[in-house]
Amino acid sequence: QKEVEQNSGPLSVPEGAIASLNCTYSDRGSQSFFWYRQYSGKSPELIMFIYSNGDKEDGRFTAQLNKASQYVSLLIRDSQPSDSATYLCAVAGNTPLVFGKGTRLSVIA
Amino acid sequence: DTAVSQTPKYLVTQMGNDKSIKCEQNLGHDTMYWYKQDSKKFLKIMFSYNNKELIINETVPNRFSPKSPDKAHLNLHINSLELGDSAVYFCASSPFGQTGLFDTIYFGEGSWLTVV
Repeated sequence: QKEVEQNSGPLSVPEGAIASLNCTYSDRGSQSFFWYRQYSGKSPELIMFIYSNGDKEDGRFTAQLNKASQYVSLLIRDSQPSDSATYLCAVAGNTPLVFGKGTRLSVIA
Repeated sequence: DTAVSQTPKYLVTQMGNDKSIKCEQNLGHDTMYWYKQDSKKFLKIMFSYNNKELIINETVPNRFSPKSPDKAHLNLHINSLELGDSAVYFCASSPFGQTGLFDTIYFGEGSWLTVV
C-alpha cells in the first residue's frame, strides 16, 4: 500500500515568515513528486514538481527532495495571507499520483 | 478557456437514484482520471483511463461505472446512490510524463455530490 504522510496542521506562521511543509512517502520506486495547493471549495492546483534529489526553486517556493530519506518538503518564503490554504503532497511512479491528506497552512497578518 | 471541465458542479439527489457526471479536457492529454475527495479532504484515485482504455480501477464499488467515448472525455455514472457517496468528485488529466505514464495532474473544478 503506497502511502504519503503529512502533518495535518494547522501550521500557523506570521506574514513574511518562512513556512515549511513536510511529507514522507513509503514507495521507494516513486519517481516524481508534486506539491498542490487547495483553497477551500476549490480544486487542487499545481505549485511545483520535482524529480531529482536536491532543491528546486520557483519564485517564493522551494521544493526539496531526499530520495534516500523518502522525504519531500516545500518552503514558502515571505508568506502572505493569500498563501493560507491546504497543501497536498503527491507522489507518482508506475501508478497515478497518490496524495497525502494535506497540511492546512494559516498565514497570520 | 477551461482546460478540464466537468458538469454538473453541484448535485443534490436522493438515495437510490442514478446520476452521471461528465468531464472533458482540451489539453490533448492521453490519460484521464476520476478522484474522490471525502469529507476529511482525503483525495483518492478511483479510475484512470489512457487513450480510452481503463488502466486503473481502485477497489471502487461496481455501482460506479466510468466511460470514455474518446480520449478527451471521461464520464462517471453512479447507480443506486448511497449516503456515503456524498463527496467531491474531481476529473483530471495528465500528459505522458518525463518519468513515464503518470505525471502532473490537472484537475477540473470538481462536482459536489450530496446524497440525502
